[in-house]
Amino acid sequence: QLQLQESGPGLVKPSETLSLTCTVSGGSISSSSYYWGWIRQPPGKGLEWIGSIYYSGSTYYNPSLKSRVTISVDTSKNQFSLKLSSVTAADTAVYYCARVGGIAVAEDWFDPWGQGTLVTVSS
Amino acid sequence: SSELTQDPAVSVALGQTVRITCQGDSLRSYYASWYQQKPGQAPVLVIYGKNNRPSGIPDRFSGSSSGNTASLTITGAQAEDEADYYCNSRDSSGNHHVFGTGTKVTVL
Repeated sequence: QLQLQESGPGLVKPSETLSLTCTVSGGSISSSSYYWGWIRQPPGKGLEWIGSIYYSGSTYYNPSLKSRVTISVDTSKNQFSLKLSSVTAADTAVYYCARVGGIAVAEDWFDPWGQGTLVTVSS
Repeated sequence: SSELTQDPAVSVALGQTVRITCQGDSLRSYYASWYQQKPGQAPVLVIYGKNNRPSGIPDRFSGSSSGNTASLTITGAQAEDEADYYCNSRDSSGNHHVFGTGTKVTVL
């Protein structure tokens, strides 16, 4: 059974860089059938897609965050990572990672999801 | 701003049927997927593609699409179906994903 687990600091200072890692277990991140994505949810608000990556390193990002986001993959560790620079209080959110499937047939889906990790931006 | 619009809230009597809609121009070209999120929990995929349910999702959940609108229907709503529901699809460019604004479903 595939599982994803987010990890990283729960508190980041304004203007600094938020860094999170998603560890995939029970399956290979190098599968040709899937992408791997990051999604966030500010407290009490809706979901926002941040970006996704293929095991080869190919990425695509939310245009509204593109200038500050970097997603990378480490196939040797079965992990992928998120970096979000120049953070402000507006970046406070629960950050989720998820497997992304169905892209080849335009029936995209996110499943499963990690449990999520709360990142607070505050001095 | 989000390119997929959902009604903020709907209510349904126990055992009755409720339809949740998601509107957006990109839905004329791409299927929506649907997610159920209960308080304090991660979202769970309930419908994807034309009308596909992942393993473990009850068959009272179904999906459909017409024009620029995708719909999630719960037939015979149960108390445990009370949750927030989000649609997701590609945006108009087809190169990015976008989530809907979310619908809170209350089971009376």
